[in-house]
Amino acid sequence: IVLTQSPGTLTLSPGERATLSCSSSQNINSNYLAWYQQKPGQAPRLLIYDASSRATGIPDRFSGSGSGTVFTLTITRLEPEDLGTYYCQQYHNSPRTFGQGTKLEIK
Amino acid sequence: EMQLLESGGGLVQPGGSLRLACAASGFSFRNYAMSWVRQAPGKGLEWVAVVNGFGNNRYYADSVKGRFTVSRDNSNNTVYLQMNSLRADDTAVYYCAKPDDPSGWWKREVFDLWGQGTVVTVSS
Repeated sequence: IVLTQSPGTLTLSPGERATLSCSSSQNINSNYLAWYQQKPGQAPRLLIYDASSRATGIPDRFSGSGSGTVFTLTITRLEPEDLGTYYCQQYHNSPRTFGQGTKLEIK
Repeated sequence: EMQLLESGGGLVQPGGSLRLACAASGFSFRNYAMSWVRQAPGKGLEWVAVVNGFGNNRYYADSVKGRFTVSRDNSNNTVYLQMNSLRADDTAVYYCAKPDDPSGWWKREVFDLWGQGTVVTVSS
């Protein structure tokens, strides 16, 4: 399964809303899709699993939605610490694959 | 506290070998399949290999099949990645990752714990 993320780069201001998209080449009817945040120089951190469930300790500013072939990560009330690259990942079938990432910049 | 700590990275010549290790703590290691995920410089994430909880089943990305071997030692809570016939395009940060599923199999690989990574550079 090929995952395509858009946009490649997103530049927003604190307090704004970010909408990140992940499009799948095949139908992920299980909703087995996760989102990760990676800050510069750090390992990825799990944000969302099963398309819309927040991982432990993740603030409710982060939400996931979507089904089938189109999934979305929404971040409301952006904070400077939200900068980084966001990846979607499918675990619907093997091999597990990641999208190429969306880089979020905070003005 | 759950933790993964990778080691073994370094500089190696093309065609050479390297063995990475990932020491786990803070969870029931044998209950989880463990994966390796890599990230080439400035690039995205690529899943590489997984070994089941018992250590007797493995699955690899096509890009490393036949060159890399994943294994584990449950008595020492450690997972390994033996890398042979290394190429320049294997240059990456290598992470070990734990899934949230305690079945011991790769039924659903949501990676809820990652190590800090170890750097592998393949260059002459």
